[in-house]
Amino acid sequence: DTGVSQDPRHKITKRGQNVTFRCDPISEHNRLYWYRQTLGQGPEFLTYFQNEAQLEKSRLLSDRFSAERPKGSFSTLEIQRTEQGDSAMYLCASSRTGNRGNEQFFGPGTRLTVL
Amino acid sequence: QKEVEQNSGPLSVPEGAIASLNCTYSDRVSQSFFWYRQYSGKSPELIMSIYSNGDKEDGRFTAQLNKASQYVSLLIRDSQPSDSATYLCAVNILTGTASKLTFGTGTRLQVTL
Repeated sequence: DTGVSQDPRHKITKRGQNVTFRCDPISEHNRLYWYRQTLGQGPEFLTYFQNEAQLEKSRLLSDRFSAERPKGSFSTLEIQRTEQGDSAMYLCASSRTGNRGNEQFFGPGTRLTVL
Repeated sequence: QKEVEQNSGPLSVPEGAIASLNCTYSDRVSQSFFWYRQYSGKSPELIMSIYSNGDKEDGRFTAQLNKASQYVSLLIRDSQPSDSATYLCAVNILTGTASKLTFGTGTRLQVTL
């Protein structure tokens, strides 16, 4: 049973550029979550998919952020016109319906640095 | 008031001692509670989950939940230097169709030799 994978692990970009991150959840997991974590803080919820449906977006997620999960498997998170405040660790997690308590398992994260 | 609160630490305990980590939450409809361990520069790793009042033990870890007091704790027995990490408390809050986790800021644990 492979865990959650994320790509790339690190991304350095210049302000104003667009970036896209990919997440592959655990194979039998139908729920997928994106979180963002900055230094000294806990992860903050960004958005949630159940299968291919995006069921919730945090108000933290500005219009520059978009996420997709077109076939209910992998997901992408795109940030347009990046700003220095977008620098953070972007974490993907997955879980499955029927999992008591909604245990979520995290991938290794993508660390974004915006110069 | 933050939804999930933890003391940021650092909490320093000697090797072999019991480390006690605490967390309070504000939302009474919270249903599930989790402890994640996060090493510096790494992603959170799930170590304990608890859903009912009382204690739940797994190896050297014991999670305790008191819903009336809105309090959850993690005890680590026989602490080892490898336990030095940040411990994140997370609460599953149902909002509409989503079932997201809300995290505290974490408590940094240092186990000294």
